[in-house]
Amino acid sequence: GAVVSQHPSWVICKSGTSVKIECRSLDFQATTMFWYRQFPKQSLMLMATSNEGSKATYEQGVEKDKFLINHASLTLSTLTVTSAHPEDSSFYICSATSGRAPEQYFGPGTRLTVT
Amino acid sequence: EDKVVQSPLSLVVHEGDTVTLNCSYEVTNFRSLLWYKQEKKAPTFLFMLTSSGIEKKSGRLSSILDKKELFSILNITATQTGDSAIYLCAVEAGGGSNYKLTFGKGTLLTVNP
Repeated sequence: GAVVSQHPSWVICKSGTSVKIECRSLDFQATTMFWYRQFPKQSLMLMATSNEGSKATYEQGVEKDKFLINHASLTLSTLTVTSAHPEDSSFYICSATSGRAPEQYFGPGTRLTVT
Repeated sequence: EDKVVQSPLSLVVHEGDTVTLNCSYEVTNFRSLLWYKQEKKAPTFLFMLTSSGIEKKSGRLSSILDKKELFSILNITATQTGDSAIYLCAVEAGGGSNYKLTFGKGTLLTVNP
């Protein structure tokens, strides 16, 4: 139980284009979803927290106009990297919590490479 | 600002050794402390600790929390090469629905045969 999927698992895009990453909770309703970014061999950096039906809360230093987050339903959140640049290349991970238990269930991550 | 500090940052041992990983924290409105193991992709959950002094055990791994001294340790006995990974400590804090996990930088464990 408590499976979170992400799609795509990896994507390569050209500089200046936008990329959308989906995060789905497959067998539970996710009241809150978190988006993280990870650099090689470093801890996860929380980018934003999204609650279903409301605007995402972004962490300090994260550009909300660049990283658009939509949490339209209890099972789906999307992260759109707009006008991607090579420095946006990273591993993006989402996690979800049902609200009944504090554990966060992580998705498998999406590797983004911007050329 | 919530802080989670792990030590050591990296550790190299031989198979069969026992290791202890440390995690200390300073947070407001502590809820729980979690340990994760991260290999190639997203971290996988190991333990969640909420009460002081109660050891959690899973096979060769065990962990305990000290809420007075604000730290936790993760022990791995009889290490194997498959234990090589980054071990992340995270603390959940905050009130109501506005909580989040603050991660430490992780401990990179390398177990050599």
